[in-house]
Amino acid sequence: SQKIEQNSEALNIQEGKTATLTCNYTNYSPAYLQWYRQDPGRGPVFLLLIRENEKEKRKERLKVTFDTTLKQSLFHITASQPADSATYLCALGDSGAGSYQLTFGKGTKLSVIP
Amino acid sequence: DAMVIQNPRYQVTQFGKPVTLSCSQTLNHNVMYWYQQKSSQAPKLLFHYYDKDFNNEADTPDNFQSRRPNTSFCFLDIRSPGLGDAAMYLCATSRAGTGPNQPQHFGDGTRLSIL
Repeated sequence: SQKIEQNSEALNIQEGKTATLTCNYTNYSPAYLQWYRQDPGRGPVFLLLIRENEKEKRKERLKVTFDTTLKQSLFHITASQPADSATYLCALGDSGAGSYQLTFGKGTKLSVIP
Repeated sequence: DAMVIQNPRYQVTQFGKPVTLSCSQTLNHNVMYWYQQKSSQAPKLLFHYYDKDFNNEADTPDNFQSRRPNTSFCFLDIRSPGLGDAAMYLCATSRAGTGPNQPQHFGDGTRLSIL
């Protein structure tokens, strides 16, 4: 069965450093991958999307890579700030008729320490 | 601002007492989803509507039902809640059919507690 693993449940880093979060998947060949941010008691908020034929996407301090050979996506936050503390979810999507549906990972809780 | 609104934010019900959660959207998206999320777990898709077409996930219990009377509103009915149904219920929308890979827009959820 399909499986999505996000590297760790929690990640603590020092303010100003780069946070790197990992999303690995097995038994799956996604056409695209999305990253979401979720704050406690709130719904997920879309951050970035990357397609299978794209190696890297950037948005301000965020960078996502997608390696279909390794079956892995890396999500980077550069110059991290305490306000970046949240849970980050990766979500995978297919191509074709069901391409609008997503399968989510459990998320990694990031804490940025001042 | 266009958004997805869920009511109520917190709902307490008794074991076995039917409960309805509501979701409305001003985005005019054609797909609406219901997810169940338990603490530190991935959001789990229960079902979704693509326009008026209802799509149930294979492992969604029969206890869970949904209604979508129009584009803007969608309801989640839990007919006989059990203790295991205590969770955050998230409603989301997306625009399908205009190209692949559209992001989903979530409401802030309803936290359901069962007494």
